[in-house]
Amino acid sequence: IAGITQAPTSQILAAGRRMTLRCTQDMRHNAMYWYRQDLGLGLRLIHYSNTAGTTGKGEVPDGYSVSRANTDDFPLTLASAVPSQTSVYFCASSSGEDEQFFGPGTRLTVL
Amino acid sequence: GQNIDQPTEMTATEGAIVQINCTYQTSGFNGLFWYQQHAGEAPTFLSYNVLDGLEEKGRFSSFLSRSKGYSYLLLKELQMKDSASYLCAVMDSNYQLIWGAGTKLIIKP
Repeated sequence: IAGITQAPTSQILAAGRRMTLRCTQDMRHNAMYWYRQDLGLGLRLIHYSNTAGTTGKGEVPDGYSVSRANTDDFPLTLASAVPSQTSVYFCASSSGEDEQFFGPGTRLTVL
Repeated sequence: GQNIDQPTEMTATEGAIVQINCTYQTSGFNGLFWYQQHAGEAPTFLSYNVLDGLEEKGRFSSFLSRSKGYSYLLLKELQMKDSASYLCAVMDSNYQLIWGAGTKLIIKP
């Protein structure tokens, strides 16, 4: 692994289903973030984690949950997907006060 | 509230110079970032300003005026590969990034 990876690359999901988006980084960054990006809007922060074992809510946390059991992994779970959660999801990591490095993104469609 | 404003779209000619402006109002300021995002790809870091003035990095330069809540990204000697969206982001007092909606730059031959 080099940098930050996400899985899956894309997914089509039926409304009401549960889905976990995976994110792994090998840069030993303390901070990790989940964003969604929708056409015409800026990146919006869903949840973040400043260090392993801690998480916080961002601008649009409703319908999403995260966990940070270790430094490398930061999965995002949609408990019961709804069509408004159709978006491109980016995971990012940083040392805390420096630039954020982004994963390649997951394109999610909820029908 | 917190707000980042930048133009939605700009068009420029290959070989020319273009300036993309960004104005901001945030709760606290710990630096301003510019990112480039090609269609269908992830954002990649371009520049960081925390003090007033101009930072130059090759064909790209970024300027900051904290008193005016203003920044610009200057791209020189434009190439077709510079066609992308350019995202302005401010790090607030909680060290979270607040993002503008991005400026789509179209380069014409």
